[in-house]
Amino acid sequence: GEDVEQSLFLSVREGDSSVINCTYTDSSSTYLYWYKQEPGAGLQLLTYIFSNMDMKQDQRLTVLLNKKDKHLSLRIADTQTGDSAIYFCAEILNYGGSQGNLIFGKGTKLSVKP
Amino acid sequence: DAMVIQNPRYQVTQFGKPVTLSCSQTLNHNVMYWYQQKSSQAPKLLFHYYDKDFNNEADTPDNFQSRRPNTSFCFLDIRSPGLGDAAMYLCATSETVRVNTEAFFGQGTRLTVV
Repeated sequence: GEDVEQSLFLSVREGDSSVINCTYTDSSSTYLYWYKQEPGAGLQLLTYIFSNMDMKQDQRLTVLLNKKDKHLSLRIADTQTGDSAIYFCAEILNYGGSQGNLIFGKGTKLSVKP
Repeated sequence: DAMVIQNPRYQVTQFGKPVTLSCSQTLNHNVMYWYQQKSSQAPKLLFHYYDKDFNNEADTPDNFQSRRPNTSFCFLDIRSPGLGDAAMYLCATSETVRVNTEAFFGQGTRLTVV
């Protein structure tokens, strides 16, 4: 079946690192995504990783992919109050190859305390 | 400048009264999507247009329809809204349907059914 699982809440202190975890079920997923949703706003693509990669780094963001365990994580270094948002993990199913086949997790609400 | 614009941001409609949500884009993208996001849940794809080609998800209720009169505009019509249709509706666009193409989201329309 198609399912993306994430923990619902994460709370960290400003300046600490945040790690948001995600598990997915479709082993044929070609791309995995992290989206950020601020209150009252739409989804903003943060980063994505191709399935043949183990790691991708982009400034304060590090994505780790463990294909064997179907586990994806997003690490935010030096977390700031502006990082407070809901973070969605998403996988794209292999059939059709359409962006429309994005399957989202329920989102992890990150709260950053000063 | 906003690239995917949804109007209105907040919509209140009566139970059973048809309602239309609108989305416009300045990106000239071929693909436009409509997602439904209920409280604390993952966004769920309802349908998408590739140019004029309409693609409905299998589990999208018949109560939901869409129109795309031109490249820039796409509408979501809910023929007889029920209380269970209260949600955030997100419009997104992408240049193509290739899996590595970024989807750009609007800010969403929050629909309340009374």
